Amino acid sequence: QSALTQPASVSGSPGQSITISCTGTSSDVGTYNAVSWYQQHPGKAPKLMIYDVNKRPSGVSNRFSGSKSGNTASLTISGLQAEDEADYYCSSYTSSITYVFGTGTKVTVL
Amino acid sequence: QVQLQESGPGLVKPSETLSLTCAVSGDSISSTHWWSWVRQPPGKGLEWIGEIFHSGITHYNPSLKSRVTISVDNSKSQFSLRLTPVTAADTAVYYCLRTYCDYTSCFYFDSWGQGTLVTVSS
Repeated sequence: QSALTQPASVSGSPGQSITISCTGTSSDVGTYNAVSWYQQHPGKAPKLMIYDVNKRPSGVSNRFSGSKSGNTASLTISGLQAEDEADYYCSSYTSSITYVFGTGTKVTVL
Repeated sequence: QVQLQESGPGLVKPSETLSLTCAVSGDSISSTHWWSWVRQPPGKGLEWIGEIFHSGITHYNPSLKSRVTISVDNSKSQFSLRLTPVTAADTAVYYCLRTYCDYTSCFYFDSWGQGTLVTVSS
């Protein structure tokens, strides 16, 4: 199974909005609403930010939102803050009863 | 709140066996959730290794399936990873995590261990 495709890096100024894309196939993102997003700060374990395409776990800021169209899912961070600077990974359930992660995106706050 | 803690050797020789255990607390390992392993080579992305249900049902990443075994010990509330034989390419931080699954939702990783670095080197 191939990793989902994400841009290597995305940047924005404080207060701006950025969007990270996550492109898969009809065997994963395109078929299942089982897309989730994870934030990882250096040296730390990943943290769940979005699940089921667009749901936020308790405690996650409403500045984070998710969506999906066809084989591509997206994570939008609005009102960008310095603390949002981190690596972000998408994940999807697949038709092979497995999971696949995205290639990862480094978010830089300018 | 569920907590997961990995344990095992930090150094493994090439061609030998990597063995890690994950202790689960704050939740029953026999609940509706699945239990997974994910790894991350230094400076690289995340790779899903596989998962297990308390009944012993497993699913593995096809690229690792021939070398991986995940097992569960319900009495000790822990699950384990075995990878053999290993090469330098298996050097990574290994995370154990809970794959959330209940009657409302499924298929996401809501709780992660802190991770443990395993280096494959002679």
